[in-house]
Amino acid sequence: DQQVKQNSPSLSVQEGRISILNCDYTNSMFDYFLWYKKYPAEGPTFLISISSIKDKNEDGRFTVFLNKSAKHLSLHIVPSQPGDSAVYFCAASPGANSKLTFGKGITLSVRP
Amino acid sequence: EAQVTQNPRYLITVTGKKLTVTCSQNMNHEYMSWYRQDPGLGLRQIYYSMNVEVTDKGDVPEGYKVSRKEKRNFPLILESPSPNQTSLYFCASRAYGANVLTFGAGSRLTVL
Repeated sequence: DQQVKQNSPSLSVQEGRISILNCDYTNSMFDYFLWYKKYPAEGPTFLISISSIKDKNEDGRFTVFLNKSAKHLSLHIVPSQPGDSAVYFCAASPGANSKLTFGKGITLSVRP
Repeated sequence: EAQVTQNPRYLITVTGKKLTVTCSQNMNHEYMSWYRQDPGLGLRQIYYSMNVEVTDKGDVPEGYKVSRKEKRNFPLILESPSPNQTSLYFCASRAYGANVLTFGAGSRLTVL
């Protein structure tokens, strides 16, 4: 039973445009959500997070939106840059000290 | 520099030959965990440890062992590796009460 779903395996975007990466979850106990970015031959690195008490969190070019009623979150990257090309993992947990459940990841390619 | 260090980074071995992947963190984190990444399956948790001498199974523990004798180290042991354990392995850690995991660079294991 996959509790965190990233249904699109890949996304290709033109440099300068917006990238929108989607994530759905099924466990209503999840209350903290994170995005990780992974380059080839490196470990995943933390990108941005959001708690369930918020519906938006912004950090520079990266914004995460949370829609709790739809159990959906999205990561927006504006403007997209070639260096953003990586695998992005969505993750969720029911709270601090709890297990982090990851999605399958989405490969983002930003074309120059 | 705060980091999680895994060794070896790359290993090719044969079925049945015991091996250990080491993991060490220098951040005094209580929580440590092992994940494997496989194509189309994302990151799946193998084992985790909440503190010294406290370990528990994750989602895919079969064929693996762990130990946590010291706070900084969390080795992953494959007593009798099989080809289905060919994968990319990540060790991660976090402080008590935190949600963000810090990952190592990964260990690519091939079992022939």
